[in-house]
Amino acid sequence: GQSLEQPSEVTAVEGAIVQINCTYQTSGFYGLSWYQQHDGGAPTFLSYNALDGLEETGRFSSFLSRSDSYGYLLLQELQMKDSASYFCAVIQKDDKIIFGKGTRLHILP
Amino acid sequence: DAGVTQSPTHLIKTRGQQVTLRCSPISGHKSVSWYQQVLGQGPQFIFQYYEKEERGRGNFPDRFSARQFPNYSSELNVNALLLGDSALYLCASRGGEAGAKQYFGPGTRLTVT
Repeated sequence: GQSLEQPSEVTAVEGAIVQINCTYQTSGFYGLSWYQQHDGGAPTFLSYNALDGLEETGRFSSFLSRSDSYGYLLLQELQMKDSASYFCAVIQKDDKIIFGKGTRLHILP
Repeated sequence: DAGVTQSPTHLIKTRGQQVTLRCSPISGHKSVSWYQQVLGQGPQFIFQYYEKEERGRGNFPDRFSARQFPNYSSELNVNALLLGDSALYLCASRGGEAGAKQYFGPGTRLTVT
């Protein structure tokens, strides 16, 4: 079967660093993506990892370990506008994209 | 360039009715996917179309159907609506056949009463 696990909620302080983990179980793994969704908005693409290692895009970084079926999203220098839900999504070789249930990030001033 | 557009933005239907949702991808994008998102959950994959052919189907009943037109726009149809079909329906487009970056539209909020 297919499953993705990520924490339901994470709380951090403005200016700090936070890591959101994602473990997955799927057949035909192709890559792992991360999306951000603000309340009432549509998901927006943050990052994509197809190979092991770290991908950095500004304040956001994403990591993948294919052997561990594990990835994480790292957000640095947190800002209040980063308060949102974050989804990991597995891209399968059959071109289906399976989303996790999302992690609600709360940022305290 | 315009992003992914969807219509209508909101819709209220009665149980048993049928609904058609529409999506226009970003210009040049040939792949369109449909997702259902229930409040507090991640998007659930319904369909993917590429070059007017169905490339993938999620775990949804046959009441759900879709098609893609020559201009790459797409329609999602849901027949015999149930209360449980109330959700945000998202359309996403991407440029390449196996690209990972999807661009989502604002969604259609469907309420079934």
